[in-house]
Amino acid sequence: SQQGEEDPQALSIQEGENATMNCSYKTSINNLQWYRQNSGRGLVHLILIRSNEREKHSGRLRVTLDTSKKSSSLLITASRAADTASYFCATDAEDQAGTALIFGKGTTLSVSS
Amino acid sequence: SQTIHQWPATLVQPVGSPLSLECTVEGTSNPNLYWYRQAAGRGLQLLFYSVGIGQISSEVPQNLSASRPQDRQFILSSKKLLLSDSGFYLCAWSAGRGRWDSPLHFGNGTRLTVT
Repeated sequence: SQQGEEDPQALSIQEGENATMNCSYKTSINNLQWYRQNSGRGLVHLILIRSNEREKHSGRLRVTLDTSKKSSSLLITASRAADTASYFCATDAEDQAGTALIFGKGTTLSVSS
Repeated sequence: SQTIHQWPATLVQPVGSPLSLECTVEGTSNPNLYWYRQAAGRGLQLLFYSVGIGQISSEVPQNLSASRPQDRQFILSSKKLLLSDSGFYLCAWSAGRGRWDSPLHFGNGTRLTVT
């Protein structure tokens, strides 16, 4: 089954800086979602972008989608220490009706104060 | 509001022992239900999903099984645990009725250690 792959695997920044994470996938999709996971906890949904959308915003989050390159990026602006977590992209598959979301391996973000 | 409960939070079991993890959802009807497993430092592996009572789809052949005896109850089981079954097990739900574009809502997970 297809899978999103995040890049980089790990990212360390200072508070106030922007953090950019990328996700690449293999086949056509209906939508792409980004999730956040604090250590030892369940995942929390951040944002969903559909295949006919190019950009979405939610607070300090900005997600872009380039279906021609089969890639997406998550930008967190003005990072805070509380943003420290792992971030995952998840994709469905356009040609597999009824297939659940497939997650990538995630990007671990560390924001230091 | 909708809530998802998953228990136990941690579990240590010997090799060869049985397993039963339970997940229940409140505040919604006909949800899609999922079991994912996360190995240390790895991504999520989809194990099972269900679109309705008694309907289980398995993504990975292994010694685990899942059941959905009630609309909002999802159970992960094993008759005999293997060392490789250790991991962080996450239950999740999403709006059902054939929709696959809804966000997943996760429980807080069960940390399983097989010794």
